[in-house]
Amino acid sequence: ILNVEQSPQSLHVQEGDSTNFTCSFPSSNFYALHWYRWETAKSPEALFVMTLNGDEKKKGRISATLNTKEGYSYLYIKGSQPEDSATYLCASNNAGNMLTFGGGTRLMVKP
Amino acid sequence: DSGVTQTPKHLITATGQRVTLRCSPRSGDLSVYWYQQSLDQGLQFLIQYYNGEERAKGNILERFSAQQFPDLHSELNLSSLELGDSALYFCASSSLAGGLNEQFFGPGTRLTVL
Repeated sequence: ILNVEQSPQSLHVQEGDSTNFTCSFPSSNFYALHWYRWETAKSPEALFVMTLNGDEKKKGRISATLNTKEGYSYLYIKGSQPEDSATYLCASNNAGNMLTFGGGTRLMVKP
Repeated sequence: DSGVTQTPKHLITATGQRVTLRCSPRSGDLSVYWYQQSLDQGLQFLIQYYNGEERAKGNILERFSAQQFPDLHSELNLSSLELGDSALYFCASSSLAGGLNEQFFGPGTRLTVL
């Protein structure tokens, strides 16, 4: 059984703050790491799919890094905005087709 | 809008009953995944189909079954329903079968078992 852990579980920041959260996943048989953004009353939306150790991806103010040897990924949000408020999910794919999701980090950005 | 559709949006039924949830993937996507989101758990992978064939199986109960039809839509059948089956059921699709492709999620079906 794979364990994908995310921390913190929730985070409150002020508008304009930069923030980051962590996803840890099993490094054995690693295949890919996915990040999704899930807004309340909507469905999860893909942010990044990362495969290579040391990979860094960026989409606007959001970026992510990947360390496959030690089994962690960081998601960074620069200059948080209220519209960034959402739950951020990571999911690990380890030598198979299925994704194992972490419990998510719930981000709330106060104006 | 991800392009993935799910029906119905809400379903309320009684214990012991059977329901069918339906999913139409994005145009061109061959792979369909089913997930369950319960109150006390994260997104749990149930099952994956690729071009009509079962590809991967997760923590899917024996009371649950799924299939993917020639037109690529998929149905998840839940039978002998229990209170604990109340959850949000998501369908997702991707173009290929492997884990390298981002998945596009539908709006979900909220099942309430009374």
